Amino acid sequence: ETGVTQSPTHLIKTRGQQVTLRCSSQSGHNTVSWYQQALGQGPQFIFQYYREEENGRGNFPPRFSGLQFPNYSSELNVNALELDDSALYLCASSPRDRGHTGELFFGEGSRLTVL
Amino acid sequence: GQSLEQPSEVTAVEGAIVQINCTYQTSGFYGLSWYQQHDGGAPTFLSYNALDGLEETGRFSSFLSRSDSYGYLLLQELQMKDSASYFCAVRGGNQGGKLIFGQGTELSVKP
Repeated sequence: ETGVTQSPTHLIKTRGQQVTLRCSSQSGHNTVSWYQQALGQGPQFIFQYYREEENGRGNFPPRFSGLQFPNYSSELNVNALELDDSALYLCASSPRDRGHTGELFFGEGSRLTVL
Repeated sequence: GQSLEQPSEVTAVEGAIVQINCTYQTSGFYGLSWYQQHDGGAPTFLSYNALDGLEETGRFSSFLSRSDSYGYLLLQELQMKDSASYFCAVRGGNQGGKLIFGQGTELSVKP
């Protein structure tokens, strides 16, 4: 148990729709990052939030956006869903200094299927 | 760019020792991490090497050689529950939350 919770656990959407995924970070963790993991692949970094601002972004288009709230929880929004967006979306939290040890605390993920 | 290579799958028997290798190419290096993931669940942190040498944590050890851009994860006294995917990862910059992951090695432990 990492103390990081994500919702929903599974969801199905159709192409062109929008989706919002939610993440509650472990208590005291002020940095949240989001990853996309396609089947059989390693997680790919989408972006990171620190103090409610985006602080680093991977190679994902602008239709992937996010928010971090004052309690450090976070949302990932994906607009205009495409079939290739089908994946496991992982949220990870860390206290800012512990992140420098390469240790992130991951949630169980939200599995998105786009039809 | 940054990339990591690791074998796609490894098979071993209970009680044995297995080594999972990882080579990386990065622009700037901040350390090598290892994660375990069971059946698409939450990746779990195993170890981190920032400096050359061996780090030991129970049955798991991790090694790093920065001059060779190479590291490995060593699992001893294998148990059935060790069957999982193992990922090496490097920090993608000075943002602690950005990790670049390898494709993963699926370890199957047989009785």
